[in-house]
Amino acid sequence: QKEVEQNSGPLSVPEGAIASLNCTYSDRVSQSFFWYRQYSGKSPELIMSIYSNGDKEDGRFTAQLNKASQYVSLLIRDSQPSDSATYLCAVKAGGNTPLVFGKGTRLSVIA
Amino acid sequence: ETGVTQTPRHLVMGMTNKKSLKCEQHLGHNAMYWYKQSAKKPLELMFVYSLEERVENNSVPSRFSPECPNSSHLFLHLHTLQPEDSALYLCASSQRVYNEQFFGPGTRLTVL
Repeated sequence: QKEVEQNSGPLSVPEGAIASLNCTYSDRVSQSFFWYRQYSGKSPELIMSIYSNGDKEDGRFTAQLNKASQYVSLLIRDSQPSDSATYLCAVKAGGNTPLVFGKGTRLSVIA
Repeated sequence: ETGVTQTPRHLVMGMTNKKSLKCEQHLGHNAMYWYKQSAKKPLELMFVYSLEERVENNSVPSRFSPECPNSSHLFLHLHTLQPEDSALYLCASSQRVYNEQFFGPGTRLTVL
């Protein structure tokens, strides 16, 4: 059974701080990794994709991937109250295999 | 219309009703998906279509019946549902099957 684990939270951080969201996965052959943001009552929105080890930055967001340790993380710099949402990690093995989603981490940014 | 649209956004139905959910993608993608999202559970993949051909059916009860008439439209036909089927039903699409997926706004379904 392929699993993607996330701490459900809530993770509370003060406005302006760095929020660090972590995700571990069980399938060693996973190759593609995605972070989705889901506001309450809304649908998931893709915010980051990462495919190779290391860091990938996009604005205030940085995704970090370590395949040897089987974890992927999302850092949000200068956190804003508008970043308060549930963040879903999704992992995919190679070829025609479906995404496996974690349950998500709820982030609360306190003004 | 842009992105992925879904109708209706909210649906309340009795256990003996028949209803359909509709999804349309305006992204020129070749793959479409139905997911179920329940509280405290990960997203559950229900059905996958690639170029109108079903490629995945994850042991979904037969009371859910998908239909994909073309690469832009996807339906989920519902009949004799159970209260535990109440959830958010999400449609998604991707350029190629199982690549980056983009979600519609979802249909919040309540079965009485």
